Amino acid sequence: GNSVTQMEGPVTLSEEAFLTINCTYTATGYPSLFWYVQYPGEGLQLLLKATKADDKGSNKGFEATYRKETTSFHLEKGSVQVSDSAVYFCALSWGTGTASKLTFGTGTRLQVTL
Amino acid sequence: DGGITQSPKYLFRKEGQNVTLSCEQNLNHDAMYWYRQDPGQGLRLIYYSQIVNDFQKGDIAEGYSVSREKKESFPLTVTSAQKNPTAFYLCASQTAFEIYGYTFGSGTRLTVV
Repeated sequence: GNSVTQMEGPVTLSEEAFLTINCTYTATGYPSLFWYVQYPGEGLQLLLKATKADDKGSNKGFEATYRKETTSFHLEKGSVQVSDSAVYFCALSWGTGTASKLTFGTGTRLQVTL
Repeated sequence: DGGITQSPKYLFRKEGQNVTLSCEQNLNHDAMYWYRQDPGQGLRLIYYSQIVNDFQKGDIAEGYSVSREKKESFPLTVTSAQKNPTAFYLCASQTAFEIYGYTFGSGTRLTVV
């Protein structure tokens, strides 16, 4: 079946450090891939997405590249800020149209300190 | 502004009671979803609906029920049959174009007292 594996957290970084959160997936066919972010007590917000191999999604300084050969979609940011502290979820979408469903990883908590 | 509204934000339930969580969207999205979030377990799909008057079970539907009488509304009832209902519940919706991903509500935290 389809599944998403994320690196364990929490990840603790100092402000302005480089961030990588690893995500690998198992899927049949060609899923779309997503990163969502969840701030404390809130729902999930779409951070970025990629719909086919070699696509790069980017938003707010975050980037992730859809690597079919390694089945990965690692999240990166060159310089994190305290405001980036949140839980990050990698997800894949399978099925088509309104029949599509998201499968999520377990989430990685990021803590950024001054 | 368009979006998804979940209410209430916090809900307390006594043992043996049914409770209903509200989810309303004004995005004109066709599909709606309910997820349960527990610490360290990510999100698990409870029920989803692709169209009015139709819905399907997700991975953990036991102890839950839903209805979809209107396109805008997808309430979730947590019944007394759900043995461990304390969790954070998230509602989501999407258009017919799955590449845009889901839009999520802000969640309801349910606690059994």
